[in-house]
Amino acid sequence: AQKITQTQPGMFVQEKEAVTLDCTYDTSDQSYGLFWYKQPSSGEMIFLIYQGSYDEQNATEGRYSLNFQKARKSANLVISASQLGDSAMYFCAMPRMDSSYKLIFGSGTRLLVRP
Amino acid sequence: GAVVSQHPSRVICKSGTSVKIECRSLDFQATTMFWYRQFPKQSLMLMATSNEGSKATYEQGVEKDKFLINHASLTLSTLTVTSAHPEDSSFYICSASQRGTGADTQYFGPGTRLTVL
Repeated sequence: AQKITQTQPGMFVQEKEAVTLDCTYDTSDQSYGLFWYKQPSSGEMIFLIYQGSYDEQNATEGRYSLNFQKARKSANLVISASQLGDSAMYFCAMPRMDSSYKLIFGSGTRLLVRP
Repeated sequence: GAVVSQHPSRVICKSGTSVKIECRSLDFQATTMFWYRQFPKQSLMLMATSNEGSKATYEQGVEKDKFLINHASLTLSTLTVTSAHPEDSSFYICSASQRGTGADTQYFGPGTRLTVL
């Protein structure tokens, strides 16, 4: 069965430091991808970054980068130089095996950036 | 680009009334729109998927007569919660997918917080 797991319900990071949010997955699909979304307290879901399983280089978008390790089935989000505005819930997601245009989400990690 | 709006952002209604929520893709044509429900401190739960001009497909356990979805155009989908009850109180969030060469990234609206009294 397909599964996506975020084992850290909450994380703290000091402002300006880097933080890694964990995401592990289980799928029998040969080709898949991983998404990360940010959900501030306002509720909107903001797309951050995506990487396909066949992409050779780890994806980077500004201060966000994906540490994709296929052998370990992990796709961790790294946020560099944390800012107070990074405090939010973070969800990783991947396409469902039964319907690739639908997403399955992890349970989320709440990140709190300390000043 | 890839902006999705949702209206209203917040609604309070009496038990037994119906509530309509609109989801619009503002700067792209969405081949598919999705409706999610999110309970406090939980992840998103997909309710249904809608494609323009065809009937929505509902996830297991979601009552199609309770949650009516209409996808009238490539930029507009509506969710109507019929005969709302307090247990329908939740955060409803839509997303729209823009078909591209890679994965179909879903772009989300800001959500609607529904409170049924």
